[in-house]
Amino acid sequence: NAGVTQTPKFQVLKTGQSMTLQCAQDMNHNSMYWYRQDPGMGLRLIYYSASEGTTDKGEVPNGYNVSRLNKREFSLRLESAAPSQTSVYFCASSGYGYNEQFFGPGTRLTVL
Amino acid sequence: AQTVTQSQPEMSVQEAETVTLSCTYDTSENNYYLFWYKQPPSRQMILVIRQEAYKQQNATENRFSVNFQKAAKSFSLKISDSQLGDTAMYFCAFMKPSNFGNEKLTFGTGTRLTIIP
Repeated sequence: NAGVTQTPKFQVLKTGQSMTLQCAQDMNHNSMYWYRQDPGMGLRLIYYSASEGTTDKGEVPNGYNVSRLNKREFSLRLESAAPSQTSVYFCASSGYGYNEQFFGPGTRLTVL
Repeated sequence: AQTVTQSQPEMSVQEAETVTLSCTYDTSENNYYLFWYKQPPSRQMILVIRQEAYKQQNATENRFSVNFQKAAKSFSLKISDSQLGDTAMYFCAFMKPSNFGNEKLTFGTGTRLTIIP
């Protein structure tokens, strides 16, 4: 039981490049989330998916797209990376009514 | 919208002492959950303790306990007999419960706690 997994763990991009961050959970959770963590700002919600086939914007969605591929997987895509997207990205999941989110190990992304 | 405020960016304490981390929040909701997460240098987010707003009794987990003051919208974390492994960033977080899967967490800016040997 791996919980929530994320790939890659580290990534360096040049401005304008694209990439997809992958997230998978094996806890049969319905809801999945993407957060970013910046120094001095805590974690902020980018997008979430309340169930398979649905996605919604969070607090800071600009510059990102998401795909809920199936119940297990929720990916985050940067179409044209910008230095402002340098951050640590966390994926999380939760079951309905469980009131607790389980986090992946995070991806440190640097955009030069 | 909810906001969570942690007014102590950094704290340090001697090993075996007790330390209290502060958190205040603002919400118009009556039913909600509050959390303390620990983030050690490994970067992993670890749930430390959880409090349901409808429960008057303060939550405890071994050396960790909270002082939940609903009227004052205050939720502090007390760590007793602090250990070197408690060195980490600590985040306070708010969640409005839902049966529809959109239970978003709102985080504070964190307190960096250092335990001194």
